[in-house]
Amino acid sequence: GIQVEQSPPDLILQEGANSTLRCNFSDSVNNLQWFHQNPWGQLINLFYIPSGTKQNGRLSATTVATERYSLLYISSSQTTDSGVYFCAVEDWNRDDKIIFGKGTRLHILP
Amino acid sequence: DGGITQSPKYLFRKEGQNVTLSCEQNLNHDAMYWYRQDPGQGLRLIYYSQIVNDFQKGDIAEGYSVSREKKESFPLTVTSAQKNPTAFYLCASNDGIGETQYFGPGTRLLVL
Repeated sequence: GIQVEQSPPDLILQEGANSTLRCNFSDSVNNLQWFHQNPWGQLINLFYIPSGTKQNGRLSATTVATERYSLLYISSSQTTDSGVYFCAVEDWNRDDKIIFGKGTRLHILP
Repeated sequence: DGGITQSPKYLFRKEGQNVTLSCEQNLNHDAMYWYRQDPGQGLRLIYYSQIVNDFQKGDIAEGYSVSREKKESFPLTVTSAQKNPTAFYLCASNDGIGETQYFGPGTRLLVL
């Protein structure tokens, strides 16, 4: 099945800094989603982005499907951005099951 | 408000005991999913259901069972055959293939 790899695994930044999180996937996918998991475990969908670029406030995402990667950009980080960011793809070879990466754990220091 | 609810928030299981985790959604979504998350890990798919009265095994279905008798409900039973059940369990739903997934708040299961 598809392999999803995220980097870096951990990231510590000062409040106000910018960051780029990467998601590589090993095969063609039907769609790609980015999620944020807060410290209490709640997962929130950030972007549904099978290709192209989307922006929502301080966050933006770009997926280059032909090169099998996606990037999540966080600008002017705030402490509330802390948590784990997951990339998830649909594996069309496996009944469209959704496969998650292991996540990037982001710590924003005040 | 529309959303997904999971109960209980915390659950303790004794050795040899079956326990059932509840998941209810009022989003009118056809598809529902159960994931398991271990500390520092991503989510692994246990079972999923794309329509009422039908469900499929995910990657780690052994020791778990589900039912989908109603569109809005997808309970997960952790059986005594699951030897390492301590984990965070997340329920999700979406409106079909290619649609955004929405998650419940999760249930933390601990074995005594």
